[in-house]
Amino acid sequence: KAGVTQTPRYLIKTRGQQVTLSCSPISGHRSVSWYQQTPGQGLQFLFEYFSETQRNKGNFPGRFSGRQFSNSRSEMNVSTLELGDSALYLCASSSGHNNSPLHFGNGTRLTVT
Amino acid sequence: QQQVKQSPQSLIVQKGGIPIINCAYENTAFDYFPWYQQFPGKGPALLIAIRPDVSEKKEGRFTISFNKSAKQFSLHIMDSQPGDSATYFCAATITQGGSEKLVFGKGTKLTVNP
Repeated sequence: KAGVTQTPRYLIKTRGQQVTLSCSPISGHRSVSWYQQTPGQGLQFLFEYFSETQRNKGNFPGRFSGRQFSNSRSEMNVSTLELGDSALYLCASSSGHNNSPLHFGNGTRLTVT
Repeated sequence: QQQVKQSPQSLIVQKGGIPIINCAYENTAFDYFPWYQQFPGKGPALLIAIRPDVSEKKEGRFTISFNKSAKQFSLHIMDSQPGDSATYFCAATITQGGSEKLVFGKGTKLTVNP
């Protein structure tokens, strides 16, 4: 079974630009979560989608948004990029049932200059 | 308080040693406590998990000890190997808005020297 696939692996953007990250979950998984990982703050929850609906949201500004498609694939968008948005963005999929394990992709490394 | 406090930040042991990573929480609504292991360049991977009604769980060389009254839990790695060198994250699950949210500790970078 293929794992969680995130594209692209690396991105370099300029302040003020926007960026879209993509995540393909494990086949059959209906839940996709996004996390931001930085050395200072660790892993912080962005949002979770289940069957195309946002089920949960972390404490990030509205510049961070996401969506999920009918095939469970998900995209995350960050608008008006700031230097502090530089991070590893991780996507995780699960069945969406209680306490089902998260399966993480290898992330997209975003650098904002 | 939706935080999980993890210590130490980094840990160095010799091969065969038993590194111990500790985590503490305040919110009694947390009901599931997984540990994740992350190697450089990779996403975190589930290592082992425990529910609060269990005091200890072992899987291979990895053991979670859970103290519900103290709101603390810890990971022990028996007979540690250089291949165990990674960053370890404790986490806790809380249900919000009908779905679960995973709250992570800030991680412990473990180095096992040969």
